[in-house]
Amino acid sequence: DGGITQSPKYLFRKEGQNVTLSCEQNLNHDAMYWYRQDPGQGLRLIYYSQIVNDFQKGDIAEGYSVSREKKESFPLTVTSAQKNPTAFYLCATTGQLNYEQYFGPGTRLTVT
Amino acid sequence: AQSVTQLDSQVPVFEEAPVELRCNYSSSVSVYLFWYVQYPNQGLQLLLKYLSGSTLVKGINGFEAEFNKSQTSFHLRKPSVHISDTAEYFCAVSILGGGADGLTFGKGTHLIIQP
Repeated sequence: DGGITQSPKYLFRKEGQNVTLSCEQNLNHDAMYWYRQDPGQGLRLIYYSQIVNDFQKGDIAEGYSVSREKKESFPLTVTSAQKNPTAFYLCATTGQLNYEQYFGPGTRLTVT
Repeated sequence: AQSVTQLDSQVPVFEEAPVELRCNYSSSVSVYLFWYVQYPNQGLQLLLKYLSGSTLVKGINGFEAEFNKSQTSFHLRKPSVHISDTAEYFCAVSILGGGADGLTFGKGTHLIIQP
């Protein structure tokens, strides 16, 4: 089955700890994205990557970091510098011939 | 830069009634348009898309949308809703040629189906 997996589904952390969210895809897509979703705010772009070993900041990159060492993987680290990390995080990819985005199931992060 | 406005944050509708979810966009160049649906605690699923051609686009689950270039709108419609349509709906836009930063999303409309 082709698709995007995000793990874990739910994640709990103590304030001050870094945490890494996983995103893996087997669609052979070049572009990958991370979004943050808060109630009533829609989706806000954190980071995106068009190609391996290259990534760009989105609208709300502060307090987050990413890597793109493999085409299939685009992990997101939520650092202790992120002031309000509790949110629903979505990973997405874009195919080469069209511009629709394909989404993973999301990870709900709760920091207390 | 492009932007998307979804005018209603919530739309309550009785079961089997018709519904329209409104979406307006702003862009200085031609665009592609999308509607996505999100069920609670899940990712987004594509409902339909407009890339070119006929301005009336049919999607999954009986939804359709009409692209109106003069009014810069892409409203989503369904003639008869079901309880299972309760979800969050997002309108999104991408510029022709593909912006490197992907789609721009509206803030979403929560469709509430009342029995």
